[in-house]
Amino acid sequence: DADVTQTPRNRITKTGKRIMLECSQTKGHDRMYWYRQDPGLGLQLIYYSFDVKDINKGEISDGYSVSRQAQAKFSLSLESAIPNQTALYFCATPESRVPNYVYEKLFFGSGTQLSVL
Amino acid sequence: GQQLNQSPQSMFIQEGEDVSMNCTSSSIFNTWLWYKQDPGEGPVLLIALYKAGELTSNGRLTAQFGITRKDSFLNISASIPSDVGIYFCAGQLSGGSNYKLTFGKGTLLTVNP
Repeated sequence: DADVTQTPRNRITKTGKRIMLECSQTKGHDRMYWYRQDPGLGLQLIYYSFDVKDINKGEISDGYSVSRQAQAKFSLSLESAIPNQTALYFCATPESRVPNYVYEKLFFGSGTQLSVL
Repeated sequence: GQQLNQSPQSMFIQEGEDVSMNCTSSSIFNTWLWYKQDPGEGPVLLIALYKAGELTSNGRLTAQFGITRKDSFLNISASIPSDVGIYFCAGQLSGGSNYKLTFGKGTLLTVNP
């Protein structure tokens, strides 16, 4: 199993502040993902990275940026937080290190609950 | 883009009852996955389906990949209180480096003891 650690678990901030959410994984996977979860809306992809030099926008990337500092670390930033970015944020990596071109089973971290006041 | 319709949005059942939920898509998927999310945690994979028509079980859970490749269902038999949580379907259309999953909006399951 992938070991995905997200920090912080909870964060309360004010409108306009810059916030960074961090994610690290211990299994050496190339691929990492950031998702956002809102009640009743499921999981929406924000950004994903297939390796350190490969960053891609997801469905809802506006207002967010990411940094893949190393293979094990993938950070999500809100440059100027706004209240509608209040949500639960998940980082994910594949369960298997070996790329599988047929399917991708994701292992999720425990999430960061972000509240923007 | 691809969209998944997951139903029902929520279910309230008595312990011991069977549960059924499903997902339908506007387009074809090559892979269907079912995840469960406990309160305060990230989603955990329950079942993965890779072939049209495939029927797969994991304990009291059974899931099927629809023949048309546009739908999937999940059944839970003899529900217990720990089945409470949000269940998500997810579809993937593979090809090249396309690893992205499309998630349904989830089914919130409540089990009354």
